[in-house]
Amino acid sequence: GAGVSQSPRYKVAKRGQDVALRCDPISGHVSLFWYQQALGQGPEFLTYFQNEAQLDKSGLPSDRFFAERPEGSVSTLKIQRTQQEDSAVYLCASSLGLAGISEQFFGPGTRLTVL
Amino acid sequence: AQSVTQLDSQVPVFEEAPVELRCNYSSSVSVYLFWYVQYPNQGLQLLLKYLSGSTLVESINGFEAEFNKSQTSFHLRKPSVHISDTAEYFCAVSHSGGSNYKLTFGKGTLLTVNP
Repeated sequence: GAGVSQSPRYKVAKRGQDVALRCDPISGHVSLFWYQQALGQGPEFLTYFQNEAQLDKSGLPSDRFFAERPEGSVSTLKIQRTQQEDSAVYLCASSLGLAGISEQFFGPGTRLTVL
Repeated sequence: AQSVTQLDSQVPVFEEAPVELRCNYSSSVSVYLFWYVQYPNQGLQLLLKYLSGSTLVESINGFEAEFNKSQTSFHLRKPSVHISDTAEYFCAVSHSGGSNYKLTFGKGTLLTVNP
């Protein structure tokens, strides 16, 4: 079966532009996560969905970042008025269960470059 | 708050040599521990995990890691590496209680296996 897919794989934006990053989780997976990975760093947690409910958004760096999962499957991470410090790889992961012991399956990421 | 330290950013080794990738963590509560691997141009994949029970955990491709609570370590080892093991390896931790879905990653160790 298909894994987690993300689109676009690469995105170049001018500073101040809005961007939308899409994640298609594995079918049937209840939990969905977004992470941000800056160059030379490990992934950092952004937000967590359980079905359509956003249960934790403590990692979103500013109110310019917004995530949604309206039907409990596909998710979109939106960044408004992009800044150079937003340049990073954005990773999406999904897991079958609700708890942390359920394995998170990662997508290939979207590399965002803000000029 | 929890944190993960991977002391070595790069580890070059020759094929068939043993390797150890070091990981130390800090946390005030009980933790789950993970190693993820990222092969070139691919997403993160779970390599192995410690949740409870035996402190020595193994993967299907010959890696093992041992949870050492007194030293707060979870080092990854393999007695004989292959060219195909070349990848970036990330150690991660989560709380075993609430918010246990939230992974905190180290910065990663690039393992390069040379012929």
